[in-house]
Order: sequence, then structure tokens, then C-alpha cells
Amino acid sequence: AQKVTQAQTEISVVEKEDVTLDCVYETRDTTYYLFWYKQPPSGELVFLIRRNSFDEQNEISGRYSWNFQKSTSSFNFTITASQVVDSAVYFCALSEGAQKLVFGQGTRLTINP
Amino acid sequence: ETGVTQTPRHLVMGMTNKKSLKCEQHLGHNAMYWYKQSAKKPLELMFVYSLEERVENNSVPSRFSPECPNSSHLFLHLHTLQPEDSALYLCASSQSPPGTAEETQYFGPGTRLLVL
Repeated sequence: AQKVTQAQTEISVVEKEDVTLDCVYETRDTTYYLFWYKQPPSGELVFLIRRNSFDEQNEISGRYSWNFQKSTSSFNFTITASQVVDSAVYFCALSEGAQKLVFGQGTRLTINP
Repeated sequence: ETGVTQTPRHLVMGMTNKKSLKCEQHLGHNAMYWYKQSAKKPLELMFVYSLEERVENNSVPSRFSPECPNSSHLFLHLHTLQPEDSALYLCASSQSPPGTAEETQYFGPGTRLLVL
């Protein structure tokens, strides 16, 4: 069975600090996909990134970076130099084979000015 | 790339009312989804439509009735709801049909429903 764990329920940091959101997943399949979504107060889930299980290269997009490690079944998300606009709930999700997306519980990130 | 709209954004209804939620995607996608997001719970997949055909119904009570008249529109008809049905209802769409692991789902802003 698929499972996604985001152990950090809430994180609060001061603006300009770096922050890492953890995501640990469980799957028996060798082919799977991992996603991160951002949910601002407006409610819409905004797609951030998709990675497949065969590509462990870390990805950087501006202030966002993702660290995918199959050895620890983790797909962590780091925001550098955080800004108030980064405040949101962030969801990690897993999809494998014919299965649908399975979401973690989400991490509520608050960036204080 | 949002391209998924939902109306209304907020809805308050009594337990005897009948209402409908509407979702429209402008992305040319082939699959559409309804999710329920309750406080302190993971997102729950409710229904999946692929090319206007329902392909999944995750044990959702019959007081929720989906309708997909075409590949761009998805409705969720509500009747005799319970207070515990109060939640954020999110619509999503994807290019690939469900069951394709690499599919990326794009979400709408949701309808925040309160059942009194």
C-alpha cells in the first residue's frame, strides 16, 4: 500500500530563514512518481514539481529545491531565503502504476516578517 | 498553469437543500476529479472521470452525485447533506487518463461548503 508521511504538522520561521519540509513515502513499486503541491489560503492546490523514481538528481527552481533520496525513501523540499508569500500548506504526494495520487497530511508553513 | 475554475467559491446550505458545484477546465485535459478536504484530514478522492465516463467512485455516499456532461465540465450535485459534509471540495484535471502514474493533476480553487 502507498503511504506518504509528512511528520511536520506546522513550521514557523522568520522571513529570510531557510526551511526544509520533510516527506517520507512507502511503496513496493520500482516505478513511481512524487509530487509537491502548495495550498495558499485561497485554497487552490498549486503544482510545484513532479519527479519519477528513476531520476534522483536534485532539482532547483529559484529559491525552491528538492532532495530526492531513494535510499531513505524521502523527497524533501527546501525553501531558501523564505518570504511571507511562501506561507501556505504544502503537500507531498505519491503515484504508482495504476494507483491514484496519495497525499500526505500536509505541513503548514508560516513565514513571519 | 491553473486553468481550472470552480463555482461557487463559498456555499452555505441546509440539510434539506439541493445544490450543485461546478467545475470547468480550460486545459484540454481528458480526466477530471472531485476531492474532499476536511480539517485535519488528507485529501480524499471522491470521483474520477475519464473521457466523460466515471471510472472511480470511492465509496462516496449517494447524497453526492457527480455528472460529467463533457470533458471540460464536471458537476457535483448535493442533496440532504449532513453537517459532517462541510469541507473544501476541490476539482482537478489531468491530461493523461487515470491510472497513468506520471499524470499531473491541476487543481481549481475549491468550493468551501458549510452544511447547517
